[in-house]
Amino acid sequence: AQSVTQLGSHVSVSEGALVLLRCNYSSSVPPYLFWYVQYPNQGLQLLLKYTTGATLVKGINGFEAEFKKSETSFHLTKPSAHMSDAAEYFCAVKGTSYDKVIFGPGTSLSVIP
Amino acid sequence: KAGVTQTPRYLIKTRGQQVTLSCSPISGHRSVSWYQQTPGQGLQFLFEYFSETQRNKGNFPGRFSGRQFSNSRSEMNVSTLELGDSALYLCASSLPQGKAYEQYFGPGTRLTVT
Repeated sequence: AQSVTQLGSHVSVSEGALVLLRCNYSSSVPPYLFWYVQYPNQGLQLLLKYTTGATLVKGINGFEAEFKKSETSFHLTKPSAHMSDAAEYFCAVKGTSYDKVIFGPGTSLSVIP
Repeated sequence: KAGVTQTPRYLIKTRGQQVTLSCSPISGHRSVSWYQQTPGQGLQFLFEYFSETQRNKGNFPGRFSGRQFSNSRSEMNVSTLELGDSALYLCASSLPQGKAYEQYFGPGTRLTVT
């Protein structure tokens, strides 16, 4: 079975500062990992995904994440926060092609001007 | 390409009633998944349909049901509504080809049960 934890239900950063959102997973098989973003009153949008291969994954809007198998982590980072990054971020894991996607509880990111 | 569409966007129902929500996936997508999102429980998986067959099911009571049509459009139904069913219901579609299961989400249907 797969599960996801996200450390920190709410994170605040200053505009221009580093964004770091933490995600740890558990999976009995090599996982597929995803980060989604949700803006108010909208659905989720895929930021990036890891399936196989390169462990550093680049996504949209300047975000990237690194898959660390030894730490079972898939933390999301962005070098410089923008006001438009304020949103809810969800980490998700999927075990095999036929498993359902399991979402973490989400982290709400606030960007302070 | 048009995105995933969900209708209606907002709905107010009374306890005991039943409701049907609709989801039209991206053209060519054959898999549709449904999620319930609430502040307390987060995103919870309801079910997934692929080629008109339910492929996965979450831990929800039998009051929650769904189906998929031959054109991949999907509906979910909730019977005998309870106050706790108030939530944002999200639909997501995917191809799904290969192992990279990338989902595309609709804007959701906000259901309020009074």
